[in-house]
Amino acid sequence: VQLLESGGDLIHPGGSLRLSCAASGFTFGSYAMSWVRQAPGKGLEWVSAISNDAYNTYYANSVKGRFTISRDNSENTLFLQMNTLRADDTAIYYCAKDLSPSAYWGQGTLVTVSS
Amino acid sequence: DIQMTQSPSSLSAFVGDRVTITCQASQDISKYLNWYQQKPGKAPKLLIYDASKLETGVPSRFSGSGSGTHFTFTISSLQPEDIATYYCQQYDNLPGTFGQGTKLNIK
Repeated sequence: VQLLESGGDLIHPGGSLRLSCAASGFTFGSYAMSWVRQAPGKGLEWVSAISNDAYNTYYANSVKGRFTISRDNSENTLFLQMNTLRADDTAIYYCAKDLSPSAYWGQGTLVTVSS
Repeated sequence: DIQMTQSPSSLSAFVGDRVTITCQASQDISKYLNWYQQKPGKAPKLLIYDASKLETGVPSRFSGSGSGTHFTFTISSLQPEDIATYYCQQYDNLPGTFGQGTKLNIK
């Protein structure tokens, strides 16, 4: 199993960014997927999850209405569209296989929101 | 949201010591608790799921117990490679909230 995040960048407050997570080594379309983030020097925060068929999506209150999770099962890729970014969204964003427990995680991609 | 209170926030112990971390849920989460280990600059690693089940390949010195609202994570004999931060996470309800973490050091 491999999960490779990309798309992290330095972005101004109020801006938008789309993260991707390329999956391999398993039948992507059979598993729910999650995003978890970690602010610098802080703990882990669950952000969002999506069912295997994309029918059900779930969000933390802190990102609801600003972030959108999606997936492309034909391309084995998970996405996180992040809009109206704030300084407190600054974090490493990890994708993880399954809702929970998540035995497989990517290496993370850094999103920095700063003017 | 379910709140997870993890203690202590930091811990120092000698190699060979028995180490215990606790996690308290704000409501009954049955057995739906994970324990993760995170080393600096790395992604979290799943150690325990369903409160007491050892993930494949994880050394047997790691164990978990508990149900309902009170959970315990134990390292039976601390090894130098166990230096890390440990997190509990409930998954009875979304969001899958994490504890604040316990930073473990060697004395």
